Amino acid sequence: DVKVTQSSRYLVKRTGEKVFLECVQDMDHENMFWYRQDPGLGLRLIYFSYDVKMKEKGDIPEGYSVSREKKERFSLILESASTNQTSMYLCASSFGGRDTYSNQPQHFGDGTRLSIL
Amino acid sequence: GEDVEQSLFLSVREGDSSVINCTYTDSSSTYLYWYKQEPGAGLQLLTYIFSNMDMKQDQRLTVLLNKKDKHLSLRIADTQTGDSAIYFCAETPMDSSYKLIFGSGTRLLVRP
Repeated sequence: DVKVTQSSRYLVKRTGEKVFLECVQDMDHENMFWYRQDPGLGLRLIYFSYDVKMKEKGDIPEGYSVSREKKERFSLILESASTNQTSMYLCASSFGGRDTYSNQPQHFGDGTRLSIL
Repeated sequence: GEDVEQSLFLSVREGDSSVINCTYTDSSSTYLYWYKQEPGAGLQLLTYIFSNMDMKQDQRLTVLLNKKDKHLSLRIADTQTGDSAIYFCAETPMDSSYKLIFGSGTRLLVRP
C-alpha cells in the first residue's frame, strides 16, 4: 500500500512565524502535491513537484514556498504565517513525471490541521 | 472552463444503496476518481475509471460513466454506518497529466 506521511496532524503557530510542513512518501513517486482544504472552497492546489528540485505553482501559491531536495520528501513553507493560512493542509503523491499522460491516481496523507494565532 | 459539481448532502438508511452523482465540464477528461474523506482525515482513493469505460465494479462499489452527459456516479451497495463520510469526485483534464479538479464533496449520512 502507498503510504504518504505528514509530520504533524495538528499544529498551532503564531502570526509572522516561519512554518514548515513535511511530507514523506514511500512509493518512489515522481509527483508530489500540496493542497489546502477550506469549507466551501474545496481542495485547492498550492504547489506541485514532478522531480527532485523541480516545482510548479498551483492555483494559490502566494504566501507559500516548497522544497524538494529528495524524491521522497516534499516540504511546504509558510514564510511568514498569517491568520488567513489557517487551514487543513493535504499532501499527495503519484507515479509519473511532468510530461507523462499515463496518469496515475494521487494518494493522500492524513492532513495537517494548521492554526495560526 | 473546468468544473466539477456534486450535490452537498445525501442521507440513506443502513442496508440501502447510496448513489452519489457528479457532473463535469471537461469532455477531454482522461481519468475520473472517487475519493472518501472521513472526519479529520485525509482523502482515501476509493476507485477510478478511465474515460473509455462505461462502468467499473469493485466489491460494493459501482462507478457509472456517461460521457455524453458528462455524468459520473458512485453506487455503494448495502451501505453501512462506516460509509458515512464526504465523497469527492475528481477529474484529470486531458491537457494536464497531473492536475486534479475536485468537486466540493457530497456528505453521506447513513442512518441506523
